[in-house]
Amino acid sequence: SQTIHQWPATLVQPVGSPLSLECTVEGTSNPNLYWYRQAAGRGLQLLFYSIGIDQISSEVPQNLSASRPQDRQFILSSKKLLLSDSGFYLCAWSKDRQVEQFFGPGTRLTVL
Amino acid sequence: DQQVKQNSPSLSVQEGRISILNCDYTNSMFDYFLWYKKYPAEGPTFLISISSIKDKNEDGRFTVFLNKSAKHLSLHIVPSQPGDSAVYFCATLLEGNFGNEKLTFGTGTRLTIIP
Repeated sequence: SQTIHQWPATLVQPVGSPLSLECTVEGTSNPNLYWYRQAAGRGLQLLFYSIGIDQISSEVPQNLSASRPQDRQFILSSKKLLLSDSGFYLCAWSKDRQVEQFFGPGTRLTVL
Repeated sequence: DQQVKQNSPSLSVQEGRISILNCDYTNSMFDYFLWYKKYPAEGPTFLISISSIKDKNEDGRFTVFLNKSAKHLSLHIVPSQPGDSAVYFCATLLEGNFGNEKLTFGTGTRLTIIP
């Protein structure tokens, strides 16, 4: 069966510090991968999606970047965090042309 | 521009009764519509979906209705159970040119089932 992991589960970082959130998927190959953010009181916003290694599309201009160094690894990064980067970050995967996306447990990021 | 709207941020329903969650969308080109359930501090879990060519899909206690002329989607849960208390997100899917599916989520409705 497939599983998706995210770490860390929670993170508190000062403004201006770097960020690296990691997501890995097990039990499948060539997944589509996604990063979402849920800000307080808001819905889920798609940040990045990837259909393959080094193939990443950004949905919204922002202070974040994503990388996919391996088939089942997706990394969300920032060089300098802003207060507005606080939120709940979710990684998800799907099989190509499948409707359903499967979400990881999420990372709660607080920028102080 | 919010393409998917859930106008009710919260809903309380008595246990055993029907819960009806609503969602409106603006883009008539969406291919699929989905409902996700989310508990605090967890990722959303998929509940049920419906293709744009259908008007109803049922799975156990969950039924999704699609009214394309009104661009309206609803989720019915009957009978409602305490474990159904969660935030429910509707989502729409527009299939991409290369098979990458991008979901657009609504803002969510917090459902509370009263014992």
